[in-house]
Amino acid sequence: AQSVTQLGSHVSVSEGALVLLRCNYSSSVPPYLFWYVQYPNQGLQLLLKYTTGATLVKGINGFEAEFKKSETSFHLTKPSAHMSDAAEYFCAVSDRITGGFKTIFGAGTRLFVKA
Amino acid sequence: DAGVIQSPRHEVTEMGQEVTLRCKPISGHDYLFWYRQTMMRGLELLIYFNNNVPIDDSGMPEDRFSAKMPNASFSTLKIQPSEPRDSAVYFCASSTGLAGLNEQFFGPGTRLTVL
Repeated sequence: AQSVTQLGSHVSVSEGALVLLRCNYSSSVPPYLFWYVQYPNQGLQLLLKYTTGATLVKGINGFEAEFKKSETSFHLTKPSAHMSDAAEYFCAVSDRITGGFKTIFGAGTRLFVKA
Repeated sequence: DAGVIQSPRHEVTEMGQEVTLRCKPISGHDYLFWYRQTMMRGLELLIYFNNNVPIDDSGMPEDRFSAKMPNASFSTLKIQPSEPRDSAVYFCASSTGLAGLNEQFFGPGTRLTVL
């Protein structure tokens, strides 16, 4: 069965510092992986996704993530944090299953950015 | 270009009352999802539709919850009777193509408070 684990419910960084949000997954088949961001009082919006091909995926707002099959990880990074990056981030995995699909979201990691 | 539209944005009701949440997906999208978000349980998929047909309702918590999609541009999620533990933010999302493999577009959510 699929599962998604986000390590750390809260992460705090200083402005200009590296952002690293961790995500590990389990899946019975090669997964499709996503990172979404949720700003206060808004719905989720896609940051980036991995389907096939290049394992380093670049997204919006300077974020990127690397799919590492051997580590079953899909960590999200950004070289230099900005105050506007403060939000909640969700990792998600999708599998094709008999009769349809299933998307599972992680519990979320709230990113705080200090001035 | 209008995104996913949800109404109302906020709903306060008393225990035992019927609540109806509404969603208009993005035109041309053939998948529609209803999610519930709480601090305790995170983001949970309640039900999703493909071409107006419910595909997986295994996330619907109990018989008090029902969802319909009478046409491609409208869906409702009804709770009857409502209970305080139903208080949450309810999101509608839509996507196209092979859902679960493509981006889901989220509405702004309906914040439900049941007193």
